[in-house]
Amino acid sequence: QVQLVQSGAEMKRPGASVRVSCETSGYTFTDYYMHWVRQAPGQGLEWMGWINPTSGATNYAQKFQGRVTLTRDTSITTGYMELSRLTSDDTAVYYCARIEDFWGQGTLVTVSS
Amino acid sequence: QSVLTQPPSASGTPGQRVTMSCSGSSSNIGSNYVYWYQQLPGTAPKLLIYRNNQRPSGVPDRFSGSKSGTSASLAISGLRSEDEADYYCGSWDDRMSGQWVFGGGTKLTVL
Repeated sequence: QVQLVQSGAEMKRPGASVRVSCETSGYTFTDYYMHWVRQAPGQGLEWMGWINPTSGATNYAQKFQGRVTLTRDTSITTGYMELSRLTSDDTAVYYCARIEDFWGQGTLVTVSS
Repeated sequence: QSVLTQPPSASGTPGQRVTMSCSGSSSNIGSNYVYWYQQLPGTAPKLLIYRNNQRPSGVPDRFSGSKSGTSASLAISGLRSEDEADYYCGSWDDRMSGQWVFGGGTKLTVL
């Protein structure tokens, strides 16, 4: 069965970077874009970007341009989301997703001094 | 604010039928499929409707989706207490080389 399993919760200081991983199984990794979505406490879903696992091409939401980097390692069918220059506003649950069907379980990133 | 527009709240009593809307534009809903997600408290979103009106296996037929022009709707019939959740619509947007857009979500309360 399709699974997207994300790395564990992170606590970061303002100004730092965070990298979240998303390990996939149960499907051909290169057949589906991997999207990243975040949800701040009490807020709605916010799309961050996607990566084409075949080519590595990316498309980022304008809000995150210059701060987010999506990468992948096809040898271990895993995607990564790195967000830099963190502020308290980046405190959120971050999800990876095959946006048209399956989602990861979410990773809580807390930014606090 | 969100590219797709959803009412922030909806409510109904058990057994009732409720509908919620999702409004977009020609670059998203008008030219692409609409997807609906259900998010229960503290959990990841779960796909409820794909390609406007298709239900994944395991989703009860009480849930139905429709689309007309640049708007879409989700209907829930025979409302149950466990349907109380947040509901989000989503779609591709043809601008900016294809990005994904969400609605702001509708919180459904079962009275």
